[in-house]
Amino acid sequence: QLQLQESGPGLVKPSETLSLTCIVSGGSITSDFHYWVWIRQPPGKGLEWVGSVYHNGDTYYNPSLKSRVTVSADTSKSQFSLTLSSVTVADTAVYFCARRDLVFPPTWGQGTLVTVSS
Amino acid sequence: EIVLTQSPLSLPVTPGEPASISCRSSQSLLFSNGYNYLDWYLQKPGQSPRLLIYLGSNRASGVPDRFSGSGSGTDFTLKISRVEAEDAGIYYCMQAVANPLTFGGGTKVEIK
Repeated sequence: QLQLQESGPGLVKPSETLSLTCIVSGGSITSDFHYWVWIRQPPGKGLEWVGSVYHNGDTYYNPSLKSRVTVSADTSKSQFSLTLSSVTVADTAVYFCARRDLVFPPTWGQGTLVTVSS
Repeated sequence: EIVLTQSPLSLPVTPGEPASISCRSSQSLLFSNGYNYLDWYLQKPGQSPRLLIYLGSNRASGVPDRFSGSGSGTDFTLKISRVEAEDAGIYYCMQAVANPLTFGGGTKVEIK
């Protein structure tokens, strides 16, 4: 059964870089039929797509974050990552990783809270 | 950017009664392969969103059959045939037909 687990620091200082990893188990990270996504949810607010990476390495980012965000996949480790630079308190959120598929249901991780604070 | 508009924003419901939530898209969510890339999620306080419906009308594993999704193109509906107390929470629709992926603003369902 496919499972995704986010990992990374729960606390990041303002102006520093947030780095998260999503460990994928029970499924291939290299298939043509799905792609990998980061989504976030600030406390008390709605859901926001951060970015995606495809099997061929193509990436797409939320325009509001594009200058600060990088999503990449490491197929040898069956994981994909998110880095967000120059963070502010507005980047405090629960960050979710997910797999999206062309025909099968999407799968989400349980999420990890990242707080930006000095 | 595709904008998803959910209505109503808030929905008080009586247990045993039906409920319906609308999600309207600014562009068609029907892809060339014939699938509508529209999901429905339920998020309860302190929990992660739970997938209810994918591809517009496919019920996710373990989701009670009182939940159903319908629609195509730009108009979608999530229906609960008989609301139960455990159905309280915030419902979101999400489109994945085009980047940037976007979410509706959410509908808060409260049980009377």
